[in-house]
Amino acid sequence: NAGVTQTPKFRVLKTGQSMTLLCAQDMNHEYMYWYRQDPGMGLRLIHYSVGEGTTAKGEVPDGYNVSRLKKQNFLLGLESAAPSQTSVYFCASSRQADTGELFFGEGSRLTVL
Amino acid sequence: GNSVTQMEGPVTLSEEAFLTINCTYTATGYPSLFWYVQYPGEGLQLLLKATKADDKGSNKGFEATYRKETTSFHLEKGSVQVSDSAVYFCALLYNQGGKLIFGQGTELSVKP
Repeated sequence: NAGVTQTPKFRVLKTGQSMTLLCAQDMNHEYMYWYRQDPGMGLRLIHYSVGEGTTAKGEVPDGYNVSRLKKQNFLLGLESAAPSQTSVYFCASSRQADTGELFFGEGSRLTVL
Repeated sequence: GNSVTQMEGPVTLSEEAFLTINCTYTATGYPSLFWYVQYPGEGLQLLLKATKADDKGSNKGFEATYRKETTSFHLEKGSVQVSDSAVYFCALLYNQGGKLIFGQGTELSVKP
């Protein structure tokens, strides 16, 4: 079982470039999340989705956009990358909202020069 | 607001030593509490959880007790192994939508 798959795993961007991170899950989960992980700060929620066609802002949404056109996919976009967006990005999914049991992808390391 | 504070790492132990990683939280109401583990190069995995006061979560020899009076959820293991080397995250669940708030993570390194 693939679980949660993120692409790409690594990417280097120049300031001002755009890119999209793709998250795909094969567990038929309703809920999907994008987090960023920075040293000493743990994981912070960027955006999340409670179902196909829905998205909502998390703790640190500025500079990012998301879309959930299909239930299995959750895309994270950076329209104009900044060095402050250098981070490791994790996608996660869950079947129910009230369990706190998230399944995480392996992460995508993004460097913005 | 809601927050989670963990002891700073890295924590370095010898194999078979006793492990404690402290976690305290601030929250309105009665959140559920979690420990997640991140092995090198991987995403986070749920290790254990507790949903109400005095509950004890346990898995793989790790355990943590939900202490409402001290707002704590410390992670313990009686005898660590080299394979336990990882980063451990304490987290709480609040509101709807399954949003978890994570602590900053504590790196554990176990030496043979």
